[in-house]
Amino acid sequence: AQKITQTQPGMFVQEKEAVTLDCTYDTSDQSYGLFWYKQPSSGEMIFLIYQGSYDEQNATEGRYSLNFQKARKSANLVISASQLGDSAMYFCAMRGLTTDSWGKLQFGAGTQVVVTP
Amino acid sequence: DTAVSQTPKYLVTQMGNDKSIKCEQNLGHDTMYWYKQDSKKFLKIMFSYNNKELIINETVPNRFSPKSPDKAHLNLHINSLELGDSAVYFCASGADGGTHGYTFGSGTRLTVV
Repeated sequence: AQKITQTQPGMFVQEKEAVTLDCTYDTSDQSYGLFWYKQPSSGEMIFLIYQGSYDEQNATEGRYSLNFQKARKSANLVISASQLGDSAMYFCAMRGLTTDSWGKLQFGAGTQVVVTP
Repeated sequence: DTAVSQTPKYLVTQMGNDKSIKCEQNLGHDTMYWYKQDSKKFLKIMFSYNNKELIINETVPNRFSPKSPDKAHLNLHINSLELGDSAVYFCASGADGGTHGYTFGSGTRLTVV
């Protein structure tokens, strides 16, 4: 069974500051993928970044980086230089890559981020 | 061109009615999904089809029936709607391999009154 935990229900961050969103996971799969999605108030789900369990380097995509600590089973998202448009709900998700868990992209409860001027 | 399109965007209906939500993807993905997002924003997978074959069927009331006429389409039919079915339903598609995120549709907000 897989479990994704996001312990921060909400946070405020000032514009231009960096923010770290916490995500821990639990899985029995040896091979898995970790994802972050953004859901603005308009409701769409936007894929941000991916980290494979066997990737040695942390993933980066523009202002997004994923701080992957495999031994701690954590996959925190770092947003650098926050912008007002970053205000949204952020979801951590995981997909196992074994036969039993294949295809099941499972989500954490989300963290609501509000960026203030 | 919209990659994953769902219709309708909003659906308001009375208890006991039957309704369908349609989904189409033009990404050439083999796998499509239905997710339910409840009022607390929690996203839960409901079904998954791979090339028209059902591969994931989570604990969902059998009033919900997915149908995939071809790999580009996955529709969701709901019978005898209940108040608790009110939620946002997202269709998504993904490529095999697991290294890319799923592409989500814009969601269908279902309200049962």
